[in-house]
Amino acid sequence: QQQVRQSPQSLTVWEGETAILNCSYEDSTFDYFPWYWQFPRESPALLIAIRPVSNKKEDGRFTIFFNKREKKLSLHITDSQPGDSATYFCPFNSGGSNAKLTFGKGTKLSVKS
Amino acid sequence: DMKVTQMPRYLIKRMGENVLLECGQDMSHETMYWYRQDPGLGLQLIYISYDVDSNSEGDIPKGYRVSRKKREHFSLILDSAKTNQTSVYFCASSQGGEQYFGPGTRLTVL
Repeated sequence: QQQVRQSPQSLTVWEGETAILNCSYEDSTFDYFPWYWQFPRESPALLIAIRPVSNKKEDGRFTIFFNKREKKLSLHITDSQPGDSATYFCPFNSGGSNAKLTFGKGTKLSVKS
Repeated sequence: DMKVTQMPRYLIKRMGENVLLECGQDMSHETMYWYRQDPGLGLQLIYISYDVDSNSEGDIPKGYRVSRKKREHFSLILDSAKTNQTSVYFCASSQGGEQYFGPGTRLTVL
């Protein structure tokens, strides 16, 4: 089974700081890297995703940096807000339209004001 | 507005009882999923369905079975529920890689 490793397991930052969440993977063949977020007692939802044709994807305060050679991704959240407090997942994606996602344990982010 | 629904939202059953969890989607997505989520363990894939009567085991299928007789509806069945099946169960559907999750069913097996 493909492994996705996320670090840290939990992260606390102050409001306005940049939070950096990391993800590494083993398989280099798949072509779609999504990040999902999940608020307490809610269901996961797609936050942002990147395809390996580029090494950066930005959406407002959220940016994915992708390093194909090292098989690593990171999610940067600039100007962190208390409303960003959630668990973030970077699931391994088997690719294709019938994608099977394999979720790790995620990173629990807390933003303090 | 794209939507995945789950029924019931909360369920309490006794060990040995049968459990039926229902999931519906209004997006005509071919692929649907059942996950369970336990504290500290992320989401674990139970079953995946590629279309009507085209189901495949996920990573933890033991103790579960599924039924998909209509594209918009996917059921998860626990025959003779066990206490270790207490969990939050999420259904999802996907198209083009993105998965859309339902609100979840919190199942307690006593």
